[in-house]
Order: sequence, then C-alpha cells, then structure tokens
Amino acid sequence: AQTVTQSQPEMSVQEAETVTLSCTYDTSESDYYLFWYKQPPSRQMILVIRQEAYKQQNATENRFSVNFQKAAKSFSLKISDSQLGDAAMYFCAYRSAVQGIQGAQKLVFGQGTRLTINP
Amino acid sequence: NAGVTQTPKFQVLKTGQSMTLQCAQDMNHEYMSWYRQDPGMGLRLIHYSVGAGITDQGEVPNGYNVSRSTTEDFPLRLLSAAPSQTSVYFCASSEVAETDTQYFGPGTRLTVL
Repeated sequence: AQTVTQSQPEMSVQEAETVTLSCTYDTSESDYYLFWYKQPPSRQMILVIRQEAYKQQNATENRFSVNFQKAAKSFSLKISDSQLGDAAMYFCAYRSAVQGIQGAQKLVFGQGTRLTINP
Repeated sequence: NAGVTQTPKFQVLKTGQSMTLQCAQDMNHEYMSWYRQDPGMGLRLIHYSVGAGITDQGEVPNGYNVSRSTTEDFPLRLLSAAPSQTSVYFCASSEVAETDTQYFGPGTRLTVL
C-alpha cells in the first residue's frame, strides 16, 4: 500500500519570503500522480499543484512550484513571495495512475503541514 | 454549476443515533468518494464508488454504509454513531478514466457525544 509522509507538522515564514514544505511517499508503482492541496480555515480543499510521475519537469503554478525527485520519492512544495492568504493547512497526496483497476482514483494523503505567514 | 455539495454543514449526534450525510455533484462524474479528516492524520478514505450501483471500501469503512443509486448522489450512512466517528467528513468526485482533479465538497463537521 502507498503511504505519504509530511514530517513538518507546522511551518512559519515571513511575508514575502520563500518557504518549502516537505513530502515523501512510498510506492512500488512507476506511474502515479502527486498533488498538493491547500485547506484554509474555511475547510475547503483547494488543489494547488499537480505532478505526473512520468514528467521529469517540475510543475509550476505562479508562485507555487515543486521539486519532484522520483528516485528519492520526494515531492516538496516551494511557495515564493509568501502572502498572508497562503496561511493554511497543506496536504500532500498520492494517486495511482494504473488504468483499469477499480479504486485507482483514490487519494492517499499525508498528515498535513500547518503554514503560518508572519506579517 | 454547483460542483460538489454536502449537507448538513454541522451535526451533533448522541451515541447510538443514526444519520445520513448527503453528497451530490452536478458534473456527471462517475467517481465519488468519502473521506474523514482527523487531527494529525490527514484525510482517510472511507468508501468510494466508480459508478451507479458500484461501491467499495476504502481504508476506514467500519461503521459506515454507502449506496449509489444515481450518478449524482452518494450518501454516507452512520448506522449507530460512536464518539470515534467525531470528525470532519469530505465528499469528492472526479472523472474515472481521465486523470482529472478530484473536486471536494465543503465538508460536514460531525460531533458524536
């Protein structure tokens, strides 16, 4: 079974600075997807960024980028120019890309990292 | 297009009571799922469905039942609530065949006394 581990329960960063959230995962599959979700105090789960394992290029979305190290099974999220609105719980998640298997769409989540932005 | 909706938003139950958490989506997604979120444990999959009439267990299915009679609706039933089921519950939906994003509902906070 796949597992996802976020070893940083809490992180804080000064506004406008850069912060990196860590995530490691364990799988025997070669094809999969990795995600970072943001959960603000409203509780809504918001997709931040997605990475396909077959792509060597790291995904980027505006101020958010990832460092995907497939061999090391590491998937960190970098937030540049941190803003007060970035304060939230961040979850790393794994999803199998194996086709034709029932339930392959299910997400496996890490424990979450609470990010605080200091003004 | 409302996306994924969940009702109620908050609920308090007494031990032994039963209730149904409602989930509906208007995106014609085949895949729907229920997760529970507990402090320090992330979200864990309870049950999922890949289409009407097809359901299966996730990681933590005990104490919960589901059914999928239509593509739009995927209710989660607690037959006899226990304090251990105090949690925040999320419903999600997505396409099956495509590598699409899973869309989450706003969540239901359930407290069992």
